[in-house]
Amino acid sequence: GESVGLHLPTLSVQEGDNSIINCAYSNSASDYFIWYKQESGKGPQFIIDIRSNMDKRQGQRVTVLLNKTVKHLSLQIAATQPGDSAVYFCAETPPGAGGTSYGKLTFGQGTILTVHP
Amino acid sequence: DAGITQSPRHKVTETGTPVTLRCHQTENHRYMYWYRQDPGHGLRLIHYSYGVKDTDKGEVSDGYSVSRSKTEDFLLTLESATSSQTSVYFCAIRGRGEQYFGPGTRLTVT
Repeated sequence: GESVGLHLPTLSVQEGDNSIINCAYSNSASDYFIWYKQESGKGPQFIIDIRSNMDKRQGQRVTVLLNKTVKHLSLQIAATQPGDSAVYFCAETPPGAGGTSYGKLTFGQGTILTVHP
Repeated sequence: DAGITQSPRHKVTETGTPVTLRCHQTENHRYMYWYRQDPGHGLRLIHYSYGVKDTDKGEVSDGYSVSRSKTEDFLLTLESATSSQTSVYFCAIRGRGEQYFGPGTRLTVT
C-alpha cells in the first residue's frame, strides 16, 4: 500500500543552526499532513499541520512546506535548540472509502534530530 | 497529553494470555485510535473508533479487538498474546484535525 517515507533517518546540527527535515509521500490524494515530535519515552507531540490547499504554513520557530508537484513535505526549525532533539514524524491522511478518512493517519518511519550544544 | 491517560503504563505477560489495555480521555472527543510503535515501522494504526460502539480495523488489526462502550474509554484487547505483539501502544484522540497522543503502554510478551 502507499505510505509516507523520509529521505534521511538521522540529522545532526549545531545549536543555533536551522534544521530541515524532509518527507516524501506517495498518495497524491492525501489532503492533510502533520508533523509530530517524539521525545524518548513519550507519545508523539503535535507540532504543525498543513492542508493540501496550502503550500506553506508557519508556527513558532517552525515552518512546514508542501510541494504537491513532487509530493514532498518538509519541516524547517529555526535556531535549533538542544531541546529540539527528538524523533520527528510526518503523517498524512489518505482519503478513505466514500470520501471519509475518519482522520486515520499514515506515518513515516521518523528522522532522529540531534542538536549539539 | 491532552487529557489522555493509558493504563497500565508497563506490562509483562506470557504468550497465550489475554491482555487488555485501557485508554481514557476527559475531553469528550468522538474519534479515538490505537497505534503500535515498533523500531523501523513508525506508528501503525491497529483500530479506531468514530463513536460509542462504532469501531473499525486499521492497518495491523490481526490479533487485536477493541471495544468502546462509553465516550471516554477505548479498550484494546489481545485475545491471546504473542511475542510479535511486544511493542509500545499509543492511544490518540482527534482534535480539530490533528491527533493528540497518550503517554503509551510498553507491553512485553515473553
